[in-house]
Amino acid sequence: DQQVKQNSPSLSVQEGRISILNCDYTNSMFDYFLWYKKYPAEGPTFLISISSIKDKNEDGRFTVFLNKSAKHLSLHIVPSQPGDSAVYFCGDQGNLIFGKGTKLSVKP
Amino acid sequence: DAGITQSPRHKVTETGTPVTLRCHQTENHRYMYWYRQDPGHGLRLIHYSYGVKDTDKGEVSDGYSVSRSKTEDFLLTLESATSSQTSVYFCAISGESSYNEQFFGPGTRLTVL
Repeated sequence: DQQVKQNSPSLSVQEGRISILNCDYTNSMFDYFLWYKKYPAEGPTFLISISSIKDKNEDGRFTVFLNKSAKHLSLHIVPSQPGDSAVYFCGDQGNLIFGKGTKLSVKP
Repeated sequence: DAGITQSPRHKVTETGTPVTLRCHQTENHRYMYWYRQDPGHGLRLIHYSYGVKDTDKGEVSDGYSVSRSKTEDFLLTLESATSSQTSVYFCAISGESSYNEQFFGPGTRLTVL
């Protein structure tokens, strides 16, 4: 059974500090994962991806780390900004499964 | 932004009535998806399409059917709506490879009374 788990429903961080969002998975078909960001009343938007050939992918303030042996990935946002406040979904693209999301609040 | 629209954006209907939601894209993308988003459940795949007339079931397909007669349109039908189908429905598209990211529409909020 394929699963993607985001065990923290919410996270609160001070502006300028690091935000770390975590995701665990089981039985991924391709080990290819994507993070999406969702604001209220809007559709999710793609943020960053990582495939099994890498253990890290970086795009500006956003970095995703993949630990295949632990079946764990994490999204780091540095420095966090109030505009980053949103719900973040981790997705297993091979199995078309998403986690339940983590609501990030960045306080000024 | 990817050219993807959903209609209607909001709908209130009664239990037992049929409902059809439409997703329209202008990107000529091969893959199209329907998800529902519910509190405590995140995004769950209902059905997806990998080409005209080619569709497959997702995690929560019971009570839903889909059709894709043209590349640009993907229809989701609730044959007989139930209150458990009250949700926000998102359509998404992606390109030629399963490794492509998905682009999501703005969503349709459906309420079944």
